[in-house]
Amino acid sequence: EAQVTQNPRYLITVTGKKLTVTCSQNMNHEYMSWYRQDPGLGLRQIYYSMNVEATDKGDVPEGYKVSRKEKRNFPLILESPSPNQTSLYFCASSLYGQEYEQYFGPGTRLTVT
Amino acid sequence: GQSLEQPSEVTAVEGAIVQINCTYQTSGFYGLSWYQQHDGGAPTFLSYNALDGLEETGRFSSFLSRSDSYGYLLLQELQMKDSASYFCAVSTGNAGNMLTFGGGTRLMVKP
Repeated sequence: EAQVTQNPRYLITVTGKKLTVTCSQNMNHEYMSWYRQDPGLGLRQIYYSMNVEATDKGDVPEGYKVSRKEKRNFPLILESPSPNQTSLYFCASSLYGQEYEQYFGPGTRLTVT
Repeated sequence: GQSLEQPSEVTAVEGAIVQINCTYQTSGFYGLSWYQQHDGGAPTFLSYNALDGLEETGRFSSFLSRSDSYGYLLLQELQMKDSASYFCAVSTGNAGNMLTFGGGTRLMVKP
């Protein structure tokens, strides 16, 4: 089944404790992206990647890191999480040139206390 | 930067037609997409307009006017399962590889 998977689905952590949210897709998509969703603000793009070893900042990159060492994986790293990073996070992927049609993972609900 | 405006909530009855509007201000515009998201679920792609005009996909249609920086999603023959949030999104950046979403419109379909 073609899909985007994220782990973990739920995470409660404390301020300053480094964490990684994994994202993997099995559709051989070149493009991958991370979003955060907060009530009333829609989805805001954190980082995106056009292909392996090619990453770019989205609209809200502060406090996040990403890497793209393999085509299928695009982990999101929070080196020192803070309470304002409490949010619902989505990973998405698409074919190159069709970034308007993105396939989303199930989401990761992160709470930072 | 980019900004998109869409109504926060719309209510309609089963079988009716509803239109969700989206106005945008952006630079480097490539196109307008629409996504649906049910409560607790992930966004799913509905449609994309790069050129002016109407695109029809079953009960859903999407319209774009680039000169007016305006688009809408039209849902016909509403069903209860259409109750969800709907997001418009503009493609910007280098060759349209960035997606900026509006705040979403929550559609409630009543019997």
